[in-house]
Amino acid sequence: QVTLKESGPVLVKPTETLTLTCTVSGFSLSNARMGVSWIRQPPGKALEWLAHIFSNDEKSYSTSLKSRLTISKDTSKSQVVLTMTNMDPVDTATYYCARIDCSSTSCSYFDYWGQGTLVTVSS
Amino acid sequence: ETTLTQSPAFMSATPGDKVNISCKASQDIDDDMNWYQQKPGEAAIFIIQEATTLVPGISPRFSGSGYGTDFTLTINNIESEDAAYYFCLQHDNFPLTFGQGTKLEIK
Repeated sequence: QVTLKESGPVLVKPTETLTLTCTVSGFSLSNARMGVSWIRQPPGKALEWLAHIFSNDEKSYSTSLKSRLTISKDTSKSQVVLTMTNMDPVDTATYYCARIDCSSTSCSYFDYWGQGTLVTVSS
Repeated sequence: ETTLTQSPAFMSATPGDKVNISCKASQDIDDDMNWYQQKPGEAAIFIIQEATTLVPGISPRFSGSGYGTDFTLTINNIESEDAAYYFCLQHDNFPLTFGQGTKLEIK
């Protein structure tokens, strides 16, 4: 059974750095062509893709947020970590992680999701 | 960047109805469209891949159609359990982008 679970602070202050962890089970981050993305959804707004990382450590970032984001993985802990620097109230959102499975001839994007974690940015 | 225009933002249906949710892409994305269902507090569920393919285990009351720029999610014979937030995703090009979502209420 594939599961993903996000964890991190509920509240961060403006200018602080946010660190979120996605802990996965039911698959391995070392499986060929398996990846995890981070996605967020501000209240009342659309979902926004932030970044992804694959088993071979290939990474990609949202162009608009690239300077503030870092994605990494710890395969032994089955965790993917996202850091976002210089947080602002506009970054208040529910943050999700989701799996990308490229193990077959084509990729299955976001076939499994976590429940999300709401992060509020406020002083 | 491909913009997805999803409509309607909100709809209400009666059990047994058929509903259509539209997602229009700002450029040709072939069939690189997925649909998801999400209920409050729960993880999103993958329901349609590659525009028309039902994900295994998903009720056949759900179907997808479209190619290029115009896509539709259809739910036949609506049931109360279908009350949820539905959204589309294009994975033709980066950045991956999402529709604004549709909240489906069952009367």
